[in-house]
Amino acid sequence: EAGVAQSPRYKIIEKRQSVAFWCNPISGHATLYWYQQILGQGPKLLIQFQNNGVVDDSQLPKDRFSAERLKGVDSTLKIQPAKLEDSAVYLCASSLTRGTSSYEQYFGPGTRLTVT
Amino acid sequence: AQSVSQHNHHVILSEAASLELGCNYSYGGTVNLFWYVQYPGQHLQLLLKYFSGDPLVKGIKGFEAEFIKSKFSFNLRKPSVQWSDTAEYFCAVFNAGGTSYGKLTFGQGTILTVHP
Repeated sequence: EAGVAQSPRYKIIEKRQSVAFWCNPISGHATLYWYQQILGQGPKLLIQFQNNGVVDDSQLPKDRFSAERLKGVDSTLKIQPAKLEDSAVYLCASSLTRGTSSYEQYFGPGTRLTVT
Repeated sequence: AQSVSQHNHHVILSEAASLELGCNYSYGGTVNLFWYVQYPGQHLQLLLKYFSGDPLVKGIKGFEAEFIKSKFSFNLRKPSVQWSDTAEYFCAVFNAGGTSYGKLTFGQGTILTVHP
């Protein structure tokens, strides 16, 4: 079974530039999550999709971050403009539909973003 | 808001030593509990989980964890560690009810270094 795919794996940009990350979840997983993991901290949920609808985006800085999941499969996360404090690893995860099977999240390798 | 606290940031052990990593959470409702592990250069993967039933759960690679509801704790244990257990360990709590349904909250992580 193929895992969660993410690209790019690494990205270096200057502050005020924009950047986009891509995620392809495990086939058949209806729920998709984006997390931000700052060095020395645990992952923090940014946004959760159920199919192509947003379930929770309460911790997404909406003035600069946006995310979409067209057609309920792939997803992109965008930052515009980037700030120094956005330097982190951005993780994508997916899980099956709601119910106990939805409690297990499978993580991708992450995108390491450095903002200079 | 729920939170997860891991007691140690960095633990250093010699091979064959016993391991216990502490985890406490602050949510009184229905929760599901997880330990994730991230080996060097790899993505987050599930080590073990607790949904209900026997509070002592066993995971992969000889790890186990005990859920003590009265103490809001879910400590991870292994009787004899190996060099290959060197990794970062994350405790996570899944909120299975209320307005934050489906939210996974992570602790800050514990880096385990095992010397051969």
